[in-house]
Amino acid sequence: GDSVTQMEGPVTLSEEAFLTINCTYTATGYPSLFWYVQYPGEGLQLLLKATKADDKGSNKGFEATYRKETTSFHLEKGSVQVSDSAVYFCALTSSFGNEKLTFGTGTRLTIIP
Amino acid sequence: GAVVSQHPSRVICKSGTSVKIECRSLDFQATTMFWYRQFPKKSLMLMATSNEGSKATYEQGVEKDKFLINHASLTLSTLTVTSAHPEDSSFYICSARDPDRTYGYTFGSGTRLTVV
Repeated sequence: GDSVTQMEGPVTLSEEAFLTINCTYTATGYPSLFWYVQYPGEGLQLLLKATKADDKGSNKGFEATYRKETTSFHLEKGSVQVSDSAVYFCALTSSFGNEKLTFGTGTRLTIIP
Repeated sequence: GAVVSQHPSRVICKSGTSVKIECRSLDFQATTMFWYRQFPKKSLMLMATSNEGSKATYEQGVEKDKFLINHASLTLSTLTVTSAHPEDSSFYICSARDPDRTYGYTFGSGTRLTVV
């Protein structure tokens, strides 16, 4: 079945550091890939998405590129801020139109000033 | 984008009682909604898919009689935790697909259930 393997946390970085959170997946067909963010005490918010190979999703300075050859969708940001502290979830749907989201375990990110 | 409202955000109940959690799509119609449970420091686990006007589809291992789902209208799905026990304490989140498909899925803000 579909699965998402995500870098385990917690991750602690200093402000303005470079961030990478690794995510790899296993899925049949051509999945759509997502990164969701959960700020403390809140529900999940879509951060970015990519629906086909080589697509790059980006938002709020975060980027992730859909790499079919390595089945990866790593999240990156060049300079993190304290406000980026949250839990980040990598997720997929096996095909866009299939409504089931499969999530990774989440990575807790803490940015210190 | 689409908004999903979930209520209550926090609830504390006694063992043996039932708790109802509501999930509303505020500015769109959602024929399908999803209920997730999030364990501490773990990912979201899909519990069930709620279908308007028909029975919910439960994931393997989820007790249908314990987690009652009702999707009576195109804008409201409810999850009732019956005869709650401390092990049911968790964070429950609902979601619905964004109707224009641009943003994927919209999530409610979650409900923190504590059973004492």
